[in-house]
Amino acid sequence: DAKTTQPTSMDCAEGRAANLPCNHSTISGNEYVYWYRQIHSQGPQYIIHGLKNNETNEMASLIITEDRKSSTLILPHATLRDTAVYYCIVRGNFGNEKLTFGTGTRLTIIP
Amino acid sequence: DAGVIQSPRHEVTEMGQEVTLRCKPISGHDYLFWYRQTMMRGLELLIYFNNNVPIDDSGMPEDRFSAKMPNASFSTLKIQPSEPRDSAVYFCASSRLAHSTDTQYFGPGTRLTVL
Repeated sequence: DAKTTQPTSMDCAEGRAANLPCNHSTISGNEYVYWYRQIHSQGPQYIIHGLKNNETNEMASLIITEDRKSSTLILPHATLRDTAVYYCIVRGNFGNEKLTFGTGTRLTIIP
Repeated sequence: DAGVIQSPRHEVTEMGQEVTLRCKPISGHDYLFWYRQTMMRGLELLIYFNNNVPIDDSGMPEDRFSAKMPNASFSTLKIQPSEPRDSAVYFCASSRLAHSTDTQYFGPGTRLTVL
């Protein structure tokens, strides 16, 4: 799997948009970008994933650059419950089931 | 849907004892994964199953660790004998498919403390 690089920690004010960057410069054409988060003492939770196009669901938006070497997870209106460690993962195509978790970004939402 | 169920949620045992962790995947999911999380090593995959068959156990640390999946709704991770360095949170996850467009759903974890 291609490696990812994320900032160790970030702060965001409650109610503002939280933008979490991720670099994956060695990503190959058939690899997806996944985002998971882990709230303290809980199991990781799936947020969103994408291949080339930008994606949006009820939790977040995922913006992938045209060259696919980086992406940004956007939480549009952060709440205190969004405080968690966010993992950006590049996952291989069919036949590669592994999710390789890095160290992630510890996001703290400030009241 | 109850999600992935793990038991016990907390386990405290003494070095040398056998420990068995249990997992019930989401109904209809064909893939089951066991992960371990520690401060030092982060979240790492130990083993995963497809249709009850172990596919990749390369992450299992040593022979003291074993995992089984006797049927589609139950899996165990056993440590015998346990050691203090096995102290960690163990997560079980399941997914419907192996395809990269499918997602893994994690259980709440079992926090193991080996004294």
